[in-house]
Amino acid sequence: ETGVTQTPRHLVMGMTNKKSLKCEQHLGHNAMYWYKQSAKKPLELMFVYSLEERVENNSVPSRFSPECPNSSHLFLHLHTLQPEDSALYLCASSPGAGEGFMNTEAFFGQGTRLTVV
Amino acid sequence: GEDVEQSLFLSVREGDSSVINCTYTDSSSTYLYWYKQEPGAGLQLLTYIFSNMDMKQDQRLTVLLNKKDKHLSLRIADTQTGDSAIYFCAEPKGGFQKLVFGTGTRLLVSP
Repeated sequence: ETGVTQTPRHLVMGMTNKKSLKCEQHLGHNAMYWYKQSAKKPLELMFVYSLEERVENNSVPSRFSPECPNSSHLFLHLHTLQPEDSALYLCASSPGAGEGFMNTEAFFGQGTRLTVV
Repeated sequence: GEDVEQSLFLSVREGDSSVINCTYTDSSSTYLYWYKQEPGAGLQLLTYIFSNMDMKQDQRLTVLLNKKDKHLSLRIADTQTGDSAIYFCAEPKGGFQKLVFGTGTRLLVSP
């Protein structure tokens, strides 16, 4: 148990569906992340939030829409996905916020295994 | 190079030592990390090393850092079947210190 909880653990959705992934941390961390892990690629950073503001968006298609309503919660809203979006989506949090923070130790959730049919 | 690189696969017998290697990209990285991912699970921090160290030992784990060559290694002594997993090295990058991960090394430990 890392203190980062993701729900659901598994999700199957059609290409026309809309769904959301949820991530929750009560570690008092200031930064939260979405990563995508697929069989073909290493961990890909999708989004970074620091103090509830999005600070990085790594050229992620608009069919993925993140939301960070407060420092403890992070969502990933999904709509009109493609089969190639099937992957393990991992949420992480870390203590740091802002430039110069030295320790970027990240705590990961268990992930949501997403299958797009 | 631009990517954090690792060999993809390592197979050892139980009781042997395992050495997993990583080449990172930024010589100014302050901390370097090793994460472990067991099947069906997220990543778990195993250990980390501060950049002013060249070695860190933590029970069965030994981390070696060669800053000149930007090379990081993880040695697992007396490898057990429970050590079978994917191991990722990671370095912080960017203004907000996000973690960039290597490709992962799948370690298979046979009895």
